[in-house]
Amino acid sequence: AQKITQTQPGMFVQEKEAVTLDCTYDTSDQSYGLFWYKQPSSGEMIFLIYQGSYDEQNATEGRYSLNFQKARKSANLVISASQLGDSAMYFCAMREVLTTDSWGKLQFGAGTQVVVTP
Amino acid sequence: KAGVTQTPRYLIKTRGQQVTLSCSPISGHRSVSWYQQTPGQGLQFLFEYFSETQRNKGNFPGRFSGRQFSNSRSEMNVSTLELGDSALYLCASSYGGSGRWFEETQYFGPGTRLLVL
Repeated sequence: AQKITQTQPGMFVQEKEAVTLDCTYDTSDQSYGLFWYKQPSSGEMIFLIYQGSYDEQNATEGRYSLNFQKARKSANLVISASQLGDSAMYFCAMREVLTTDSWGKLQFGAGTQVVVTP
Repeated sequence: KAGVTQTPRYLIKTRGQQVTLSCSPISGHRSVSWYQQTPGQGLQFLFEYFSETQRNKGNFPGRFSGRQFSNSRSEMNVSTLELGDSALYLCASSYGGSGRWFEETQYFGPGTRLLVL
């Protein structure tokens, strides 16, 4: 069963505007980590931001922030002040914590293609 | 620190052949994971190696195998290639084994684009 759902296949956003990318996940575990990655057309996956299931505050990293709603099992990525270089595929991913020193595999959503226009 | 490196970057093979892909993790990282990315199936987890032991495995046929060496470098082998094996193969490394999120965050290499004819 699909554990990570990204419902937006693609989005256009104007330069300098903010954009929100949706991500919902499914897990019965209490301990897990949520990750967002960016994949430009070159193919390399770039780590953007992390949110832990026990983190009480939403994660922020520069222009990236996470809107984490644990009860709704959603972890939406917000990119503020979009730039042309933000055009890429964005993936939401989750790793379940198996033991105190072992995490499960990284599971990805289908991704959202973002195109930033001038 | 140098990032994750993968060789070769591009590869063309024919059906029935076998292929070996290589991944060198970030220095100090002990965990290496492999993923297959295709337009139809998206990103799928192949396997993870940690300190030379396979720790996690995805749902791929036995034609897909891997190993990790004592220096944490990893290789992935696909035997008897099929057309459907054409994909971008991504390798990711993390420190692993500590349970702390920043050491479990995976960093990816540029990938190997495999085309099977």
